[in-house]
Amino acid sequence: SAVISQKPSRDICQRGTSLTIQCQVDSQVTMMFWYRQQPGQSLTLIATANQGSEATYESGFVIDKFPISRPNLTFSTLTVSNMSPEDSSIYLCSVERRGGPTDTQYFGPGTRLTVL
Amino acid sequence: AQSVTQLDSQVPVFEEAPVELRCNYSSSVSVYLFWYVQYPNQGLQLLLKYLSGSTLVKGINGFEAEFNKSQTSFHLRKPSVHISDTAEYFCAVREVTGGYNKLIFGAGTRLAVHP
Repeated sequence: SAVISQKPSRDICQRGTSLTIQCQVDSQVTMMFWYRQQPGQSLTLIATANQGSEATYESGFVIDKFPISRPNLTFSTLTVSNMSPEDSSIYLCSVERRGGPTDTQYFGPGTRLTVL
Repeated sequence: AQSVTQLDSQVPVFEEAPVELRCNYSSSVSVYLFWYVQYPNQGLQLLLKYLSGSTLVKGINGFEAEFNKSQTSFHLRKPSVHISDTAEYFCAVREVTGGYNKLIFGAGTRLAVHP
Protein backbone atom coordinates (compact mmCIF):
# COMPACT_ATOMS: atom_id res chain seq x y z
CA SER A 1 0.00 0.00 0.00
CA ALA A 2 0.97 3.66 0.10
CA VAL A 3 0.45 6.26 2.80
CA ILE A 4 -0.60 9.56 1.27
CA SER A 5 -1.06 12.88 3.03
CA GLN A 6 -2.60 16.06 1.67
CA LYS A 7 -2.35 19.62 2.87
CA PRO A 8 -4.49 21.47 3.63
CA SER A 9 -7.25 19.09 4.67
CA ARG A 10 -9.80 21.81 4.10
CA ASP A 11 -9.94 25.50 3.28
CA ILE A 12 -12.38 28.29 2.70
CA CYS A 13 -11.24 30.74 0.03
CA GLN A 14 -12.45 33.93 -1.56
CA ARG A 15 -13.44 34.18 -5.19
CA GLY A 16 -10.56 35.15 -7.46
CA THR A 17 -7.80 33.79 -5.26
CA SER A 18 -5.67 30.65 -5.78
CA LEU A 19 -4.98 27.67 -3.55
CA THR A 20 -2.13 25.19 -3.79
CA ILE A 21 -2.76 21.66 -2.52
CA GLN A 22 0.17 19.44 -1.60
CA CYS A 23 0.32 15.67 -1.88
CA GLN A 24 3.08 13.69 -0.14
CA VAL A 25 3.62 9.92 -0.47
CA ASP A 26 5.62 7.80 1.96
CA SER A 27 7.60 6.11 -0.83
CA GLN A 28 8.53 6.62 -4.47
CA VAL A 29 5.75 6.11 -6.99
CA THR A 30 5.65 6.27 -10.75
CA MET A 31 2.30 7.86 -11.32
CA MET A 32 0.34 10.49 -9.41
CA PHE A 33 -3.15 11.64 -10.22
CA TRP A 34 -5.41 14.51 -9.24
CA TYR A 35 -9.18 14.06 -9.06
CA ARG A 36 -12.09 16.37 -8.34
CA GLN A 37 -15.15 15.13 -6.48
CA GLN A 38 -17.98 17.63 -6.55
CA PRO A 39 -20.62 17.42 -3.79
CA GLY A 40 -22.53 14.16 -4.04
CA GLN A 41 -20.73 13.19 -7.25
CA SER A 42 -18.25 10.61 -8.41
CA LEU A 43 -14.60 11.21 -9.12
CA THR A 44 -13.45 13.12 -12.20
CA LEU A 45 -9.81 12.84 -13.24
CA ILE A 46 -8.19 16.24 -13.67
CA ALA A 47 -4.71 15.20 -14.74
CA THR A 48 -1.93 12.65 -14.49
CA ALA A 49 1.40 13.88 -13.15
CA ASN A 50 4.58 12.01 -13.98
CA GLN A 51 7.93 13.11 -12.66
CA GLY A 52 10.10 14.81 -15.24
CA SER A 53 7.35 15.56 -17.73
CA GLU A 54 4.42 17.87 -18.17
CA ALA A 55 1.15 16.79 -16.60
CA THR A 56 -1.43 15.26 -18.93
CA TYR A 57 -4.82 16.95 -18.58
CA GLU A 58 -8.20 15.39 -19.21
CA SER A 59 -10.79 16.97 -21.45
CA GLY A 60 -12.32 20.01 -19.80
CA PHE A 61 -9.30 20.79 -17.62
CA VAL A 62 -6.52 23.19 -18.60
CA ILE A 63 -3.11 23.97 -17.24
CA ASP A 64 -3.84 27.66 -16.69
CA LYS A 65 -6.66 26.82 -14.32
CA PHE A 66 -5.06 23.77 -12.65
CA PRO A 67 -1.26 24.01 -12.83
CA ILE A 68 0.45 20.90 -11.47
CA SER A 69 4.00 20.30 -10.34
CA ARG A 70 5.76 16.96 -9.82
CA PRO A 71 9.30 17.77 -8.68
CA ASN A 72 10.16 14.26 -7.47
CA LEU A 73 8.80 10.74 -7.05
CA THR A 74 7.09 11.40 -3.71
CA PHE A 75 5.50 14.83 -4.07
CA SER A 76 3.08 16.78 -6.23
CA THR A 77 1.07 19.98 -6.02
CA LEU A 78 -2.17 21.07 -7.63
CA THR A 79 -3.08 24.75 -7.79
CA VAL A 80 -6.65 25.84 -8.27
CA SER A 81 -6.35 29.28 -9.86
CA ASN A 82 -8.71 32.25 -9.98
CA MET A 83 -11.29 30.33 -8.00
CA SER A 84 -15.03 30.63 -8.32
CA PRO A 85 -17.79 28.98 -6.25
CA GLU A 86 -18.03 26.28 -8.95
CA ASP A 87 -14.58 25.10 -7.87
CA SER A 88 -15.93 24.07 -4.46
CA SER A 89 -15.13 20.38 -4.34
CA ILE A 90 -13.04 17.72 -2.72
CA TYR A 91 -9.68 17.39 -4.46
CA LEU A 92 -8.07 13.97 -4.18
CA CYS A 93 -4.54 12.90 -4.87
CA SER A 94 -3.88 9.28 -5.81
CA VAL A 95 -0.85 7.21 -6.76
CA GLU A 96 0.20 4.04 -8.52
CA ARG A 97 3.56 2.55 -7.73
CA ARG A 98 4.47 1.29 -11.20
CA GLY A 99 1.71 2.58 -13.46
CA GLY A 100 0.97 -0.88 -14.83
CA PRO A 101 -2.51 -2.11 -15.79
CA THR A 102 -2.81 -4.35 -12.72
CA ASP A 103 -1.59 -1.69 -10.34
CA THR A 104 -3.78 -0.59 -7.44
CA GLN A 105 -4.50 3.10 -7.14
CA TYR A 106 -4.22 4.47 -3.61
CA PHE A 107 -5.93 7.66 -2.51
CA GLY A 108 -5.13 10.46 -0.13
CA PRO A 109 -7.67 11.77 2.36
CA GLY A 110 -8.67 14.67 0.14
CA THR A 111 -8.78 18.46 0.44
CA ARG A 112 -12.21 19.94 0.97
CA LEU A 113 -12.35 23.34 -0.73
CA THR A 114 -15.13 25.87 -0.31
CA VAL A 115 -15.07 29.02 -2.44
CA LEU A 116 -17.19 31.96 -1.33
CA ALA B 1 -15.43 3.46 -24.90
CA GLN B 2 -15.72 1.93 -21.49
CA SER B 3 -18.30 3.04 -18.96
CA VAL B 4 -19.46 1.98 -15.52
CA THR B 5 -23.04 2.00 -14.26
CA GLN B 6 -23.92 1.66 -10.61
CA LEU B 7 -27.59 0.94 -10.73
CA ASP B 8 -28.52 2.20 -7.27
CA SER B 9 -27.60 5.64 -6.03
CA GLN B 10 -28.73 4.80 -2.50
CA VAL B 11 -29.26 1.51 -0.68
CA PRO B 12 -30.86 1.57 2.77
CA VAL B 13 -30.56 -1.61 4.81
CA PHE B 14 -30.97 -2.74 8.39
CA GLU B 15 -28.05 -3.88 10.46
CA GLU B 16 -27.19 -7.58 10.10
CA ALA B 17 -29.12 -7.85 6.84
CA PRO B 18 -27.41 -8.90 3.60
CA VAL B 19 -26.66 -6.34 0.93
CA GLU B 20 -25.78 -6.30 -2.76
CA LEU B 21 -24.47 -3.23 -4.55
CA ARG B 22 -24.75 -3.55 -8.30
CA CYS B 23 -22.18 -2.59 -10.91
CA ASN B 24 -22.32 -3.09 -14.66
CA TYR B 25 -19.73 -2.05 -17.20
CA SER B 26 -19.42 -1.76 -20.93
CA SER B 27 -16.24 -2.42 -22.83
CA SER B 28 -15.16 -4.00 -26.08
CA VAL B 29 -12.05 -5.50 -24.49
CA SER B 30 -11.13 -7.34 -21.30
CA VAL B 31 -11.22 -5.33 -18.10
CA TYR B 32 -9.88 -5.22 -14.59
CA LEU B 33 -12.47 -4.38 -11.94
CA PHE B 34 -12.25 -2.64 -8.58
CA TRP B 35 -14.49 -1.68 -5.68
CA TYR B 36 -13.54 1.24 -3.45
CA VAL B 37 -15.18 2.52 -0.25
CA GLN B 38 -15.25 6.13 0.92
CA TYR B 39 -16.14 6.72 4.54
CA PRO B 40 -17.42 10.18 5.49
CA ASN B 41 -14.77 12.86 5.16
CA GLN B 42 -12.12 10.41 4.02
CA GLY B 43 -10.38 9.36 0.82
CA LEU B 44 -11.07 6.15 -1.08
CA GLN B 45 -9.94 2.77 0.21
CA LEU B 46 -9.64 -0.35 -1.94
CA LEU B 47 -12.11 -3.07 -0.93
CA LEU B 48 -11.21 -5.67 -3.54
CA LYS B 49 -10.18 -6.14 -7.14
CA TYR B 50 -10.58 -8.66 -9.94
CA LEU B 51 -7.63 -9.12 -12.29
CA SER B 52 -7.91 -12.76 -13.39
CA GLY B 53 -8.61 -16.25 -12.09
CA SER B 54 -11.50 -17.07 -9.82
CA THR B 55 -14.53 -14.95 -10.55
CA LEU B 56 -15.40 -14.72 -6.85
CA VAL B 57 -13.17 -12.20 -5.16
CA LYS B 58 -12.97 -11.69 -1.41
CA GLY B 59 -11.99 -8.35 0.04
CA ILE B 60 -11.64 -6.58 3.33
CA ASN B 61 -14.34 -6.12 5.96
CA GLY B 62 -16.23 -9.26 4.86
CA PHE B 63 -17.11 -7.99 1.38
CA GLU B 64 -16.94 -10.10 -1.75
CA ALA B 65 -17.75 -9.57 -5.42
CA GLU B 66 -18.41 -11.81 -8.36
CA PHE B 67 -17.27 -11.12 -11.89
CA ASN B 68 -19.80 -12.21 -14.50
CA LYS B 69 -18.37 -11.74 -17.96
CA SER B 70 -21.53 -12.68 -19.86
CA GLN B 71 -23.56 -10.13 -17.92
CA THR B 72 -20.68 -7.63 -17.72
CA SER B 73 -21.31 -7.25 -14.02
CA PHE B 74 -19.25 -7.04 -10.84
CA HIS B 75 -21.73 -6.88 -7.97
CA LEU B 76 -20.53 -6.34 -4.41
CA ARG B 77 -22.05 -8.36 -1.57
CA LYS B 78 -21.89 -8.73 2.18
CA PRO B 79 -23.94 -11.34 4.06
CA SER B 80 -24.42 -9.24 7.20
CA VAL B 81 -23.77 -5.50 7.37
CA HIS B 82 -22.78 -3.37 10.34
CA ILE B 83 -23.51 0.25 11.13
CA SER B 84 -19.86 0.95 10.38
CA ASP B 85 -20.37 -0.10 6.73
CA THR B 86 -22.31 3.12 6.13
CA ALA B 87 -20.30 4.78 3.36
CA GLU B 88 -20.13 5.56 -0.35
CA TYR B 89 -19.07 2.66 -2.58
CA PHE B 90 -17.50 3.14 -6.00
CA CYS B 91 -17.05 0.56 -8.74
CA ALA B 92 -14.17 1.20 -11.14
CA VAL B 93 -13.00 -0.38 -14.39
CA ARG B 94 -9.75 -0.39 -16.29
CA GLU B 95 -9.53 -1.69 -19.85
CA VAL B 96 -6.82 -4.22 -20.66
CA THR B 97 -4.97 -3.19 -23.81
CA GLY B 98 -1.36 -2.85 -24.83
CA GLY B 99 -0.93 0.53 -23.20
CA TYR B 100 -1.82 2.25 -19.96
CA ASN B 101 -5.51 2.95 -19.40
CA LYS B 102 -6.97 5.09 -16.69
CA LEU B 103 -9.51 3.99 -14.12
CA ILE B 104 -13.11 4.83 -14.88
CA PHE B 105 -15.37 5.26 -11.85
CA GLY B 106 -19.07 4.72 -11.49
CA ALA B 107 -21.32 7.34 -9.94
CA GLY B 108 -21.24 5.66 -6.55
CA THR B 109 -23.78 3.97 -4.27
CA ARG B 110 -24.50 5.34 -0.84
CA LEU B 111 -25.03 2.49 1.62
CA ALA B 112 -26.98 3.52 4.72
CA VAL B 113 -27.12 0.90 7.47
CA HIS B 114 -29.85 1.48 10.05
CA PRO B 115 -30.11 -0.06 13.54
